[in-house]
Amino acid sequence: EPEVTQTPSHQVTQMGQEVILRCVPISNHLYFYWYRQILGQKVEFLVSFYNNEISEKSEIFDDQFSVERPDGSNFTLKIRSTKLEDSAMYFCASGGNTIYFGEGSWLTVV
Amino acid sequence: KNEVEQSPQNLTAQEGEFITINCSYSVGISALHWLQQHPGGGIVSLFMLSSGKKKHGRLIATINIQEKHSSLHITASHPRDSAVYICAPQKTSYDKVIFGPGTSLSVIP
Repeated sequence: EPEVTQTPSHQVTQMGQEVILRCVPISNHLYFYWYRQILGQKVEFLVSFYNNEISEKSEIFDDQFSVERPDGSNFTLKIRSTKLEDSAMYFCASGGNTIYFGEGSWLTVV
Repeated sequence: KNEVEQSPQNLTAQEGEFITINCSYSVGISALHWLQQHPGGGIVSLFMLSSGKKKHGRLIATINIQEKHSSLHITASHPRDSAVYICAPQKTSYDKVIFGPGTSLSVIP
């Protein structure tokens, strides 16, 4: 069964610090996504990525957020200066014929 | 109006009961996903549908594209089925999925 892996599984960070969440998508997939889920709320779309550029982003994905595929295998989400309201579970997904989700990275901003 | 609606929002069932979760959506789609999320856990893809019906074990998913409606059925429910079930349509292939609000299912022994 193909698998999307995410690291770290849980991170606690101080407000204002930079955070990088990492994802290893499925190797032959071309489309990559980040979603987030604030505790008790539904999953929200952040950004989709194809051919080394952002193909779509939501209003949530402001200048504090960035994504990149630095080495052809990892897909990262960077939050430049974290805020308390960035505390959430962040899910990576990759798409081929169907979409596979990672287990998520819990981010707690204190 | 939300693009994706699910009913019921919460559901408690006795073990062994037949369960139905409904999803309606307002956008044109190429596919619809049913996803499962356990508390504090990751998201697992159960089905991807573009027409008709699919079955996997005790789970059955159906979709009516013309009526913009899909259902997820669980036969002979079991406590381990307790989770949030999410309907997530997809407008075009490789587009983002649009998450519904989820249905929280609790199956009591």
